[in-house]
Amino acid sequence: TQLLEQSPQFLSIQEGENLTVYCNSSSVFSSLQWYRQEPGEGPVLLVTVVTGGEVKKLKRLTFQFGDARKDSSLHITAAQPGDTGLYLCAGARQTGANNLFFGTGTRLTVIP
Amino acid sequence: DAGITQSPRHKVTETGTPVTLRCHQTENHRYMYWYRQDPGHGLRLIHYSYGVKDTDKGEVSDGYSVSRSKTEDFLLTLESATSSQTSVYFCAISPDSYYGYTFGSGTRLTVV
Repeated sequence: TQLLEQSPQFLSIQEGENLTVYCNSSSVFSSLQWYRQEPGEGPVLLVTVVTGGEVKKLKRLTFQFGDARKDSSLHITAAQPGDTGLYLCAGARQTGANNLFFGTGTRLTVIP
Repeated sequence: DAGITQSPRHKVTETGTPVTLRCHQTENHRYMYWYRQDPGHGLRLIHYSYGVKDTDKGEVSDGYSVSRSKTEDFLLTLESATSSQTSVYFCAISPDSYYGYTFGSGTRLTVV
């Protein structure tokens, strides 16, 4: 049973288009993280959101944490080929060692 | 200065042989993790450590053992490699799961 479900699973868009990736759960998280993974490399942390309703912007990427802290979204404006990769959300249930749960992943391809 | 390095990056081994993967960190983080990543399964936790000589099992620990004799090193051992252990293995470090993980670049292991 996956604690975090991401949608869509695959996404292929043209350069310049906008897109949104969703991360949903029935569980409440103390923090929610987004990672991007490129082929042959490990996931890289993009952002951590910790407050319900929080919105963080990272250049063309906008991250939102749901009011109830159960879901999150990642919006990319004017996608570029360099945005291509696997996007993973991860939720921390509480502080400590083994409380980070990874989502199922969204594989994004941006076509030039 | 990566902060976390994995070795080797690639390895091919025969069924039944022991294999040890190494993870080394220079961040002095308390927590270290071993994951495997497979198509259709995402990231799955094998073992983790919350301090020197303190380790615990993850969701897919069968056939794997770990050791952490120093803060900076976390070893993953496949006692007798099987073809089902062909995968990409990632090490990760964290001061606390609340803040997210830093991943290594991965080890691609092929068991033939």
